[in-house]
Amino acid sequence: GQQVMQIPQYQHVQEGEDFTTYCNSSTTLSNIQWYKQRPGGHPVFLIQLVKSGEVKKQKRLTFQFGEAKKNSSLHITATQTTDVGTYFCAGPYGGATNKLIFGTGTLLAVQP
Amino acid sequence: DTAVSQTPKYLVTQMGNDKSIKCEQNLGHDTMYWYKQDSKKFLKIMFSYNNKELIINETVPNRFSPKSPDKAHLNLHINSLELGDSAVYFCASSGFGVGRVHGYTFGSGTRLTVV
Repeated sequence: GQQVMQIPQYQHVQEGEDFTTYCNSSTTLSNIQWYKQRPGGHPVFLIQLVKSGEVKKQKRLTFQFGEAKKNSSLHITATQTTDVGTYFCAGPYGGATNKLIFGTGTLLAVQP
Repeated sequence: DTAVSQTPKYLVTQMGNDKSIKCEQNLGHDTMYWYKQDSKKFLKIMFSYNNKELIINETVPNRFSPKSPDKAHLNLHINSLELGDSAVYFCASSGFGVGRVHGYTFGSGTRLTVV
């Protein structure tokens, strides 16, 4: 079945350092979404990328969708303690837009 | 004015019991979902309903039975609870339409502990 893997599983950074998580799908995706889940919280939708090679920015966060639409990345510049949480990518399964398969997640810890 | 609300937030119960989790959304979305998040944080879809119709039914034991009385509500009933059912269960909803982004809105989750 379709798999969406993320690396790394866990990253610990000092506040102010940059952070990147990578997302790889076993199949081509029509779009990719990113979510953030704070410790003890629920996933919160961040962004959706649709076009091949698309790059979108939200303040210190930069999201990229690969040319082949099978991978994506999230880069955070100058991390802050408020960035702590698990970041998930998610893509539609089997071409159905209403069934998201979530990636394995990357837990980001930020030391002040 | 919570968008997706789930109750209860915590549920501790003994093996073999039957329990229900309720979910309601006030976003006017057409589609609702149940996801299970295990101790390793893996999020796995269980069910999806679109306008009260079941459209996704993953490989879930038939002890789990979803019910959608209307498009704003999706409940989850679990029979004969087992230790392995312990997890956080999230309800979510999404809406579709021209120009809309299909991000899911999640509820705050129900932490189920079976003892």
